[in-house]
Parts: sequence; C-alpha cells; structure tokens
Amino acid sequence: AQSVTQLDSHVSVSEGTPVLLRCNYSSSYSPSLFWYVQHPNKGLQLLLKYTSAATLVKGINGFEAEFKKSETSFHLTKPSAHMSDAAEYFCVVSDRRGTDKLIFGTGTRLQVFP
Amino acid sequence: KAGVTQTPRYLIKTRGQQVTLSCSPISGHRSVSWYQQTPGQGLQFLFEYFSETQRNKGNFPGRFSGRQFSNSRSEMNVSTLELGDSALYLCASSLEYRGAATDTQYFGPGTRLTVL
Repeated sequence: AQSVTQLDSHVSVSEGTPVLLRCNYSSSYSPSLFWYVQHPNKGLQLLLKYTSAATLVKGINGFEAEFKKSETSFHLTKPSAHMSDAAEYFCVVSDRRGTDKLIFGTGTRLQVFP
Repeated sequence: KAGVTQTPRYLIKTRGQQVTLSCSPISGHRSVSWYQQTPGQGLQFLFEYFSETQRNKGNFPGRFSGRQFSNSRSEMNVSTLELGDSALYLCASSLEYRGAATDTQYFGPGTRLTVL
C-alpha cells in the first residue's frame, strides 16, 4: 500500500530565501511521485512529477525535487521564494501499476513574507 | 487548449437533497477522476472513469455515484445530502486511463458544495 507524509503543515519563509517542503513516501512498488500546488479558491496545478527517469526533477516556476530511494523522500525545493509562491502544496504518490488511486499528503501551507 | 471545466462553481443545498456536478475534460482526454477536498480529511479519491466505465473507486458510500458520457464529459451525483458532504469537489482529466502510470492529471477549479 502507498502512503505519503508531509512533515510540515506550515512553512514560512522570507521572499528571496530558499524553500524546502518535505515529503516522505511509502510504496510497495516503484512509485510515481508528484507535487501539486493549490492557490486559494483554485484547483490543483502540477508542479513536477517523478516516474523513474532522472532522480532530480525540475518543474515549473523554478521548483525542483529529488527522489531519494534510500531515504524514501521526495522533498520540494526552490532557491529563492517569491510572494506568488504562497499557496498550499501537496505531495502525491501513485504506484506504477496504475491500479491504485493517487494518494495525497495532507498539504503544506507556504507563507512568504516580504 | 481549454482546461478542465466544472459547473457549477458554487452550490448550496439542504440536507436530504441530491446534487449533480458536471465536469468537462480537456479536449482529447478520455479519463476523468473525481476528488473530495475537506479541511478535516484532505483530498480523497472518489472514482475514476475511462471509456464510460468506472475503473477505480474510493471508500465512499453508495450515495456518491458518477458516470461518463461518450464525449468523455462526466457527472457525479450525491443523493441524500449530509452536512459532512460540504466540500470542494475536484475533477481531473488525463489522456488515458492511469494504468499508463506516467499519465498526468489536470485539475479543474472545483465545485464548492455547501450543505445546510
């Protein structure tokens, strides 16, 4: 069975400083992993996904994530936060067989201060 | 290319009523999934449709149902509404059935349902 744990419910950073949103996963099979972002009153937008190609995945808006099998982690990072990055971020796991649904983490709310 | 559209965007119902939500996928996408998002339970998978057939189902009571039409548009229905059904209902479309594993889901803006 798959599960995903987002280690922080809230993260606050200053504009221009690095962002780190942490995610650990559990999967019986080789997982596909995703990060989605949700701005207030909006749907979810895909930031990036990992599907067993390169372990360092680059996404939109300067975000990237590194798949570390030994640590079962898929942390999301960005070198320099922007005010527009303030949103809720979801780490998502899906097994490769595709017979299971997407499992969402509980979300991390990112606040960016000027 | 237009994104996933959901109608209506907001809905207010009373307990015991039923409601139908609609989702139009991205043109060419054949798979549609539905999710419920609440502050307490987070995002939970409801069901997935592909080629007018339900391919996967989450752990929701039978009051929650759905269907998909030949043009890939999908509807979900909730009967005998309860206060706890108040939520944001999100629809997502993908090109193929997620058995492809690498298939990306694109989400609509959601329908916010309030049950009074």
